[in-house]
Amino acid sequence: DAGITQSPRHKVTETGTPVTLRCHQTENHRYMYWYRQDPGHGLRLIHYSYGVKDTDKGEVSDGYSVSRSKTEDFLLTLESATSSQTSVYFCAISASASNTGELFFGEGSRLTVL
Amino acid sequence: SQQGEEDPQALSIQEGENATMNCSYKTSINNLQWYRQNSGRGLVHLILIRSNEREKHSGRLRVTLDTSKKSSSLLITASRAADTASYFCATDANTGFQKLVFGTGTRLLVSP
Repeated sequence: DAGITQSPRHKVTETGTPVTLRCHQTENHRYMYWYRQDPGHGLRLIHYSYGVKDTDKGEVSDGYSVSRSKTEDFLLTLESATSSQTSVYFCAISASASNTGELFFGEGSRLTVL
Repeated sequence: SQQGEEDPQALSIQEGENATMNCSYKTSINNLQWYRQNSGRGLVHLILIRSNEREKHSGRLRVTLDTSKKSSSLLITASRAADTASYFCATDANTGFQKLVFGTGTRLLVSP
């Protein structure tokens, strides 16, 4: 299994509070991604990173920010959580920038915003 | 918006039967991948097929790709209870970069 650890795995929070999810990898892969998974929508890309301090927006980036200060860590922050951000969040990593590489996924972080 | 849509949304079969699930996508692609997700777990890569390939095999998996119809199918032969999972197709949407766009998935239930 790829060395990807997401934390926390489960979190319940209240509307308006900040939340940070962490993805830690031990594979030294350059590319990291945050997806959210919701029923009926599959997985949707939030943000991705192509190197330390290099990040870009995905399909559903509103309300989210990311940071990558080290190769191994990719943080996803909800500045002020809303109920619509209740979801399961997956981190993924990839060794290759080419479009022929596979993604390796973490086990997910289930976030509930009350 | 979703690039891929899987069909059917859910499939229930008996062990030993074959399972076929389909994926349609909207824009041109460089490759298409299939992933499996067991309940409560992350996604696991199964197979990749390039846009210039029509068919690919991996063990009990057979994937076809029809770029003229913008569709792909995943066939699992001789299904086992352990194949019970959700299956997702993912495309690169011709971005030239590994920004995969996932479909909504097919839930497969294989009963003993």
